[in-house]
Amino acid sequence: DADVTQTPRNRITKTGKRIMLECSQTKGHDRMYWYRQDPGLGLQLIYYSFDVKDINKGEISDGYSVSRQAQAKFSLSLESAIPNQTALYFCATGANSGNTGELFFGEGSRLTVL
Amino acid sequence: GQSLEQPSEVTAVEGAIVQINCTYQTSGFYGLSWYQQHDGGAPTFLSYNGLDGLEETGRFSSFLSRSDSYGYLLLQELQMKDSASYFCAVTFDNYGQNFVFGPGTRLSVLP
Repeated sequence: DADVTQTPRNRITKTGKRIMLECSQTKGHDRMYWYRQDPGLGLQLIYYSFDVKDINKGEISDGYSVSRQAQAKFSLSLESAIPNQTALYFCATGANSGNTGELFFGEGSRLTVL
Repeated sequence: GQSLEQPSEVTAVEGAIVQINCTYQTSGFYGLSWYQQHDGGAPTFLSYNGLDGLEETGRFSSFLSRSDSYGYLLLQELQMKDSASYFCAVTFDNYGQNFVFGPGTRLSVLP
């Protein structure tokens, strides 16, 4: 089983619908992140959390919200999806201390908003 | 703010050596990481430089010069499976690993 699991892997929805992407991890990491990737582009940080009570906005948080339900779970919500939120979304975790420079990514959730 | 620059594409042949450069401008800097991503896949960690100099991991090496705000990833003995996108990422928060990713370099390895 993957250490970082995202569900759903693929989702097609319509404009205005509420969507939730879920992420769970078995690595025991406190640090969790949500990134967005558009075709041919790098990864943009949406939100991040360093423990259950900690939520921080990233570069592109508008139109998104998150919930850190437990150490192992970090969910991303689109309250009212719009077509330009069509993208590949990645959840990632990072080690609890030190600067190792390493993030562990899930397999991604491909979202299409029509 | 933070910004990183990488070449958009690089092409090389099997067995060759290729260097992918990354320049950055950041407010605060603690290290430079490199990630590989195959089409449709997740990014996977390759290497990290927290100090100036060269880090070697098998066929891959990574270099950092803080004074030049510059780093590179060196891939030796290229194989077809190395065809992928490569991203540099700056860590700029010493408290808790906050990352900014570059736009990525698409490497095509030809037979």
